[in-house]
Amino acid sequence: QSVLTQPPSVSGAPGQRVTISCSGSSSNIGANYNVHWYQHVPGTAPKLLISTNTHRPSGVPDRFSGSKSGTSASLAITGLQAEDEGDYYCQSYDSGLGVFGTGTKLTVL
Amino acid sequence: EVQLVQSGAEVKKSGESLKISCKASGYRFSTYWIGWVRQRPGRGLEWLGIIFPFDSDVRYSPPFQGQVTISADKSITTAYLQWRSLKASDTAMYYCVRAEDTGSYYFYGLNVWGQGTTVTVSS
Repeated sequence: QSVLTQPPSVSGAPGQRVTISCSGSSSNIGANYNVHWYQHVPGTAPKLLISTNTHRPSGVPDRFSGSKSGTSASLAITGLQAEDEGDYYCQSYDSGLGVFGTGTKLTVL
Repeated sequence: EVQLVQSGAEVKKSGESLKISCKASGYRFSTYWIGWVRQRPGRGLEWLGIIFPFDSDVRYSPPFQGQVTISADKSITTAYLQWRSLKASDTAMYYCVRAEDTGSYYFYGLNVWGQGTTVTVSS
């Protein structure tokens, strides 16, 4: 159902940098809707990590950064830490209605 | 403190009706869009729909149009998600969520999440 495609999984060693891509189309990301990113640790509610493409809400470490270009967006995590393990979702809007990405499981090796 | 507190877990049979709730506090309820997100077992997040409590303007994602009803009661700052006839495929965790800012919801992310309500439907 999701119109935003993410890689199923990414992994990295502590201290490394990883990126997660979010590929959309001209009716969602390419239509100039903002992209938002969430971190979901199983057993807890998802948490807004990056808002409006690049903005970090208060309390989110600057190790997390977002970017957007054309019909795609990316989340970068630098200085990987064990507590970063979890599922990551991009989210945008398509014809005015919300859509989530397919989700990416981040494993810290 | 801004909070969304959801009603407790539900276990139902296929064909039964259900209404779950989301009590908001710590902000001006009428002026922020509030919506629902689900996660079925082993699956990703899905956006069901969103409501503006001020005038009850509701937007549904196409797969959920006609399947659920989203409503809000300003007098008790509570949003609801309702089913008339549950199916086994409705088994999921349901989160209520609030848009980051007032104004058009589609500019913003979802910065406040309820703790989730587990709905289990047996056939």
